[in-house]
Amino acid sequence: SYVLTQPPSVSLAPGQTARITCGGNNIGSKTVHWYQQKPGQAPVLVIYSDSDRPSGIPERFSGSNSGDAATLTISRVEAGDEADYYCQVWDRSNVHRVFGGGTKLTVL
Amino acid sequence: EVQLVESGGGLVQPGGSLRVSCAASGFTFSNYWLAWVRQAPGKGLEWVANINQDGSEKYYVDSVRGRFTISRDNARNSVHLQMNKLRVEETAVYYCARDVSSFDHWGQGTLVTVSS
Repeated sequence: SYVLTQPPSVSLAPGQTARITCGGNNIGSKTVHWYQQKPGQAPVLVIYSDSDRPSGIPERFSGSNSGDAATLTISRVEAGDEADYYCQVWDRSNVHRVFGGGTKLTVL
Repeated sequence: EVQLVESGGGLVQPGGSLRVSCAASGFTFSNYWLAWVRQAPGKGLEWVANINQDGSEKYYVDSVRGRFTISRDNARNSVHLQMNKLRVEETAVYYCARDVSSFDHWGQGTLVTVSS
């Protein structure tokens, strides 16, 4: 089955740019989605189809996907962005949905 | 406003059965795939199963195939997950989500605890 690899944690100061990667074999040929999950809450979709933002998601959130890595970029990080972030794809080989292991973003 | 509300979670013994349900509102239910996603305590998200618009296609993660059954009732705008032969490691919050390739709306989840 298809495996997605994320760094366990990313830490940075407010105002900096966070880049969270999601690695997978030829992931650039797949469609990647990203979710934000704060403690005790359900996940929220923040990027779909590699780089599109749902309504209500700030423009500071953007995404890209190429080769063997997709990236979620959060510009001008704020304390309120502190959360776990998950990438997700559709594995066409077996029609399954697959999640990455998640990355904990800490704003120092 | 899209709403998904799960119910039916609780404590069950290893090897036991439980059925969780999700009531949907705010959208044309019969036009969408639905899915169940679970999250063990302190762990990441895991897709469990999904079902197409008329219930004719169902897919499962390998670890639950043959033990879990997803179903839907388009007349009642509800989706269900029947879980049999539950294992301790399947203790988790079970989320219902609308599946459009991404999961664009989620419920708040229902906790299933498998313990003796």
